[in-house]
Amino acid sequence: QVQLVESGGGVVQPGRSLRLSCAVSGFTFSNYDMHWVRQAPGKGLEWVAFISYDGSNKYYADSVKGRFTISRDNSKNTLYLQMNSLRAEDTAVYYCAKDLSPPPKVFDIWGQGTMVTVSS
Amino acid sequence: EIVLTQSPATLSLSPGERATLSCRASQSVGSYLAWYQQKPGQAPRLLIYDASNRATGIPATFSGGGSGTDFTLTISSLEPEDFAVYYCQQRSNWPLTFGQGTKVEIK
Repeated sequence: QVQLVESGGGVVQPGRSLRLSCAVSGFTFSNYDMHWVRQAPGKGLEWVAFISYDGSNKYYADSVKGRFTISRDNSKNTLYLQMNSLRAEDTAVYYCAKDLSPPPKVFDIWGQGTMVTVSS
Repeated sequence: EIVLTQSPATLSLSPGERATLSCRASQSVGSYLAWYQQKPGQAPRLLIYDASNRATGIPATFSGGGSGTDFTLTISSLEPEDFAVYYCQQRSNWPLTFGQGTKVEIK
């Protein structure tokens, strides 16, 4: 079955870096755009980043632009989120999500999430 | 950035009752609006996309409507498993944005 499994979360000090991974199975990863979405504790959902199926197009939320980088390795069926210069406000559960396509920019399959805590 | 405002923040209803949730956009998003359901400790689940299209496996008790700036999600008869938080999301413009959520709770 279709499955997305995030990993790499943890506790990190402000200003440090962390890389999240999302291993996918059950569908042809290289055919689909992908996203990262986060949710701060007790808060709503916030879209973070998008990458096209071939990695040629990327978009970011203003709140992470210049600090986070989304990437993918289609040979490994894995999506990544490199997070640098982390801030307390980046504390959240991070979900990877598959794009429905068609239509685009709708999240039809989600992982279980990985928690990132930024604290000294 | 398109701001989505959901109302009410909390809806208190009994099983079997009809729920009507609202999502208003700060500018037109056409029909490019989706709805998600999230239960505590779980990832969100896609319910509706492009205003009125049910996602795979979603029962017909869920329906969506609207266009432009005003949208509704209707649950025709609440089942115990429908009590959750519901989010709308627009795909008209970057950045993609979500509403703040409506919690449907048991009265």
